[in-house]
Amino acid sequence: GAGVSQSPRYKVTKRGQDVALRCDPISGHVSLYWYRQALGQGPEFLTYFNYEAQQDKSGLPNDRFSAERPEGSISTLTIQRTEQRDSAMYRCASSPPGPLDEQYFGPGTRLTVT
Amino acid sequence: QKEVEQNSGPLSVPEGAIASLNCTYSDRGSQSFFWYRQYSGKSPELIMFIYSNGDKEDGRFTAQLNKASQYVSLLIRDSQPSDSATYLCAVTRGIFNKFYFGSGTKLNVKP
Repeated sequence: GAGVSQSPRYKVTKRGQDVALRCDPISGHVSLYWYRQALGQGPEFLTYFNYEAQQDKSGLPNDRFSAERPEGSISTLTIQRTEQRDSAMYRCASSPPGPLDEQYFGPGTRLTVT
Repeated sequence: QKEVEQNSGPLSVPEGAIASLNCTYSDRGSQSFFWYRQYSGKSPELIMFIYSNGDKEDGRFTAQLNKASQYVSLLIRDSQPSDSATYLCAVTRGIFNKFYFGSGTKLNVKP
């Protein structure tokens, strides 16, 4: 079946602009996670949804970052007033129901802020 | 102290050898343990998970967990050049199974 999809795959934006990154999880997966991954590092947790509820947003760096998943499926990560330090790979992952929460990653969105 | 520590490598092994990848974690409350493989420029893909002490085998891969020593390892038998990638260790903790990833170990399997 289809895996996790993310769009856009690449985004170049000017400093100060807002960007919205989209994640479409695997069908039937109730848990959805957003990560940021710097080159040579592992994914860094940003936020987590169970269905439409945002259960943990402790990894969001500051209040310019927000996320939503209004219908418990597609999620959007929004970064307002982008800064150069926001440039990174943003990855989404989803998990099937069950106790282990094994995660399946999407291809990521490479964000470049100029 | 980082939640999950891995040697960045690179770890070089000849084709056909056993590759041993190691990971330590800081919080004794960690619940589940995962190994992901990430090829350059690609997204992480799940290889194995383990949640109880001991060994778990899946094909050429064996995950080992020692909770007393807070240590997880991944053995790859009969290593192939296609196994060359970065291997990420991840642990979960908390009521929402929050994931903590290590920085990864780069493995090179030489033909």
